[in-house]
Amino acid sequence: QQQVKQSPQSLIVQKGGISIINCAYENTAFDYFPWYQQFPGKGPALLIAIRPDVSEKKEGRFTISFNKSAKQFSLHIMDSQPGDSATYFCARVHGNNRLAFGKGNQVVVIP
Amino acid sequence: DSGVTQTPKHLITATGQRVTLRCSPRSGDLSVYWYQQSLDQGLQFLIQYYNGEERAKGNILERFSAQQFPDLHSELNLSSLELGDSALYFCASSALHGGTSVGETQYFGPGTRLLVL
Repeated sequence: QQQVKQSPQSLIVQKGGISIINCAYENTAFDYFPWYQQFPGKGPALLIAIRPDVSEKKEGRFTISFNKSAKQFSLHIMDSQPGDSATYFCARVHGNNRLAFGKGNQVVVIP
Repeated sequence: DSGVTQTPKHLITATGQRVTLRCSPRSGDLSVYWYQQSLDQGLQFLIQYYNGEERAKGNILERFSAQQFPDLHSELNLSSLELGDSALYFCASSALHGGTSVGETQYFGPGTRLLVL
């Protein structure tokens, strides 16, 4: 099964800083690239998603940028807050809408 | 709160046993997905049902099975349990067209934490 590969594995960011997580994929034949956020003890929740015909999408402090030639998409968290401390998963969507997740990145925002 | 409920929240059992995990999707959602989350394998898709019918299978072991009932709740049955089956099991649901559409949001439940001793 093709994977999406996330980097870095974990990230420590100062409050107010920018968190950047990268995700690489192998095949362009996918319609949808979501990012999920998971807090300890909770299920993942959709944070933001992008389609490959769009180069960037912004929702509040969260931005996805898509680089089709590099087969990479990135999540930027601007003005990072302690409440953003969570694990972030990039994913790609298979047929029938099923998700293939990356390994996840733990983001810790320190005050 | 995603609107997806899962029971039980925690389950402790012994190797060789069989357990059943239950999921109630969001009101109106016809698609149910099961995922397993473990430290070594990450979040992996197991199986999907749409309106009572199996739609897709992922990395689901033969010892595992699932079904979706007419009231749309779903159950995941795990049998002949092994230590390596200890994991978090999540159920997710998506809206009416989840059987054919790509890109519908999946709403995850809080999970069932299974510990096999």
